[in-house]
Amino acid sequence: DTAVSQTPKYLVTQMGNDKSIKCEQNLGHDTMYWYKQDSKKFLKIMFSYNNKELIINETVPNRFSPKSPDKAHLNLHINSLELGDSAVYFCASSQDEGTSGVHSPLHFGNGTRLTVT
Amino acid sequence: AQSVTQLDSHVSVSEGTPVLLRCNYSSSYSPSLFWYVQHPNKGLQLLLKYTSAATLVKGINGFEAEFKKSETSFHLTKPSAHMSDAAEYFCVVLNTGGFKTIFGAGTRLFVKA
Repeated sequence: DTAVSQTPKYLVTQMGNDKSIKCEQNLGHDTMYWYKQDSKKFLKIMFSYNNKELIINETVPNRFSPKSPDKAHLNLHINSLELGDSAVYFCASSQDEGTSGVHSPLHFGNGTRLTVT
Repeated sequence: AQSVTQLDSHVSVSEGTPVLLRCNYSSSYSPSLFWYVQHPNKGLQLLLKYTSAATLVKGINGFEAEFKKSETSFHLTKPSAHMSDAAEYFCVVLNTGGFKTIFGAGTRLFVKA
């Protein structure tokens, strides 16, 4: 069984469109994330979300918004897509290990390659 | 604040020779450190983690890393490279506030036949 699954795997769309990427985890983790990986493989965290707080990387445009219908899902919505949004987007999850605040290792999905034309 | 620096953007080795991927970290306390591997067109997979139990940590696929507090390093090694080890490797440190994980810029490992 896939622990963290993202759909779609590939997404090709035109500038100005609105699109969503879905993510689901079946690990029972309480925190989920979205990362953007550029062409140079640099990973940039976009959001961190659990049932207590949403942390937003201030460099992420507000065209990007995470939406969590429940603990196991964190979808990424992107409005008015731009050429520079082309990248691979990774969803991940982890478990907060109690009062220490230490998180377990991240578990990643296989990524969604977004191409904006 | 915590930070992590991977000292080499690319490393090239011959098959059967040792691998060394270097990572330095900055932390005001004893950190939790990880190495992840990313094969082409794949997600990231955990190789190993250090959480203050033992300074030498063994991971999957024959990799290991040694935590050296005096040098603030967490270098990844493998005695003998295999072609299948060719991938991108990320060193990661856990953070205390805000975002929990900080990724290094990655090191691309090439393995020559």
